[in-house]
Amino acid sequence: AQSVSQHNHHVILSEAASLELGCNYSYGGTVNLFWYVQYPGQHLQLLLKYFSGDPLVKGIKGFEAEFIKSKFSFNLRKPSVQWSDTAEYFCAGGKDFGNEKLTFGTGTRLTIIP
Amino acid sequence: DTGVSQDPRHKITKRGQNVTFRCDPISEHNRLYWYRQTLGQGPEFLTYFQNEAQLEKSRLLSDRFSAERPKGSFSTLEIQRTEQGDSAMYLCASSLSGPHEQYFGPGTRLTVT
Repeated sequence: AQSVSQHNHHVILSEAASLELGCNYSYGGTVNLFWYVQYPGQHLQLLLKYFSGDPLVKGIKGFEAEFIKSKFSFNLRKPSVQWSDTAEYFCAGGKDFGNEKLTFGTGTRLTIIP
Repeated sequence: DTGVSQDPRHKITKRGQNVTFRCDPISEHNRLYWYRQTLGQGPEFLTYFQNEAQLEKSRLLSDRFSAERPKGSFSTLEIQRTEQGDSAMYLCASSLSGPHEQYFGPGTRLTVT
């Protein structure tokens, strides 16, 4: 069965620290991968996406993620976090072409301390 | 582009009552999805439409749930004989066909008392 797992449930960092949030997927065949963010009181927003091509993808607000097929991973990174990055982060995967439905991880709550 | 909208934003109902939620997708998007999210979990897929055709339903969608998209534009999700376990955030998303990202609405929070 398709699954996406996020092992970090709650991460607390100080401003300017570097961030890496883990995401692993279990899919057969080609996979599309996404990171979504939910700021307090707001709806889910797309941070970045991977469909094919360059495995290092850059998103909004300085975030990036690297697709490593051999490790079934799609970790999210940011070199220097800001207080405004406090939010819940969800990794999601969809099957190859079509992307009819997304399977989400349980999310990682990120708290940035000023 | 006004984004995906959902109505109502909050609904409190008594167990056994029927409820209906509405989703208006981004106008040029032909795909529409429904997800459910409970506390501490990521969204879980319920069903999706391509235009007016409902193409897939999750096993989470019991017989008490029905979704429609009559003219390929807005969609409704109805829950009959609500149960306390139906309390959740119901999310709608839309996208273009093919490998495109999904855009999410603000959700409808349902509380069944």
